[in-house]
Amino acid sequence: SQTIHQWPATLVQPVGSPLSLECTVEGTSNPNLYWYRQAAGRGLQLLFYSVGIGQISSEVPQNLSASRPQDRQFILSSKKLLLSDSGFYLCAWSASYGYTFGSGTRLTVV
Amino acid sequence: QQQVKQSPQSLIVQKGGISIINCAYENTAFDYFPWYQQFPGKGPALLIAIRPDVSEKKEGRFTISFNKSAKQFSLHIMDSQPGDSATYFCAASMQTGANNLFFGTGTRLTVIP
Repeated sequence: SQTIHQWPATLVQPVGSPLSLECTVEGTSNPNLYWYRQAAGRGLQLLFYSVGIGQISSEVPQNLSASRPQDRQFILSSKKLLLSDSGFYLCAWSASYGYTFGSGTRLTVV
Repeated sequence: QQQVKQSPQSLIVQKGGISIINCAYENTAFDYFPWYQQFPGKGPALLIAIRPDVSEKKEGRFTISFNKSAKQFSLHIMDSQPGDSATYFCAASMQTGANNLFFGTGTRLTVIP
């Protein structure tokens, strides 16, 4: 069966520090991969999606970037975090219909 | 623009009551309508989904009602329980493209004992 792993679960980072969040999927090949951000009590904002290795589409211009170095690995990065980058970050995968989400990373920028 | 409109933003229901969340869409290319349930600190999980060739789908206490002509669909939670307290997202999907699932803005449901 397919599983999605996301880590770390929580992260507290100072303003101006770099960020790297990792997501991996098991049990499937060539999935579509997604990064979402969710502000407290708010909806799901799509940040990036990828249909294959090295292929990244950005939905919202911002201080973040994404990379897909391997078929089942998706990384969210920042060179310098801002206070406004705080939030709940979710990775998801899809083969056709419907998305399966990871357990999320709670990022607090202080 | 918001492809899927969801209401209400928050909902408080007594234990044993019926919770109803409504969604509407415009794009007739959508052909798959899932609902996701999200508990605090967790990722959304697929709860129930429907395709437009049926008007209703029921799984336990959860029912999706679908009105294709009105382009509306709703989630009904019968005999609501405190354990149902969560945020619910409706969504609509089309077959083509990778960025093909569009979420509503979410409804925070609180079921009080």
